[in-house]
Amino acid sequence: DAKTTQPPSMDCAEGRAANLPCNHSTISGNEYVYWYRQIHSQGPQYIIHGLKNNETNEMASLIITEDRKSSTLILPHATLRDTAVYYCIVSNFGNEKLTFGTGTRLTIIP
Amino acid sequence: DSGVTQTPKHLITATGQRVTLRCSPRSGDLSVYWYQQSLDQGLQFLIQYYNGEERAKGNILERFSAQQFPDLHSELNLSSLELGDSALYFCASSGAGTAWYNEQFFGPGTRLTVL
Repeated sequence: DAKTTQPPSMDCAEGRAANLPCNHSTISGNEYVYWYRQIHSQGPQYIIHGLKNNETNEMASLIITEDRKSSTLILPHATLRDTAVYYCIVSNFGNEKLTFGTGTRLTIIP
Repeated sequence: DSGVTQTPKHLITATGQRVTLRCSPRSGDLSVYWYQQSLDQGLQFLIQYYNGEERAKGNILERFSAQQFPDLHSELNLSSLELGDSALYFCASSGAGTAWYNEQFFGPGTRLTVL
């Protein structure tokens, strides 16, 4: 699986959009980008995934660059409950194990 | 609530002992995954079972073993415990062994403390 690079920490004001970057410059053509988050010591929670098109769901939006070497997770209106560690994972089609890196610790500031 | 349950929530034991962690997947999910989260190693994949069969193995020690039963619940057995085995152990499940995307549903975890 391709390696990912994320900033170790970020702050965002409550109510603003939180934009979390991820670099995956060695991604290959059949690898998907997944985002999970872990609130405190709870089990990780799936957020969104994408291959090459931008994706949106009720939780977030995922913007993948045209060359697929980086992506950005956007939480449109961050709340205090969005404070968590966010993991960007790149994984092959059919490879079901998740390889978590160190993630980005996002803190939402009131 | 992910629908995945894990017992016990907390476990405190001594070095050299053996423990069993239990996981019940979401209703209908055939795949079960085990992950270990320690302070120094982060979240690491241990092993996956699909419908009773081992499907993938990660950084699982030989002292650790797992199985998935006909009712699809899974157990992770940890033996000859060492201080370094203290960690959060998560179980996750997913809907199909050949899912084209990888949404896994995680349980609340079992916190193991080895003294």
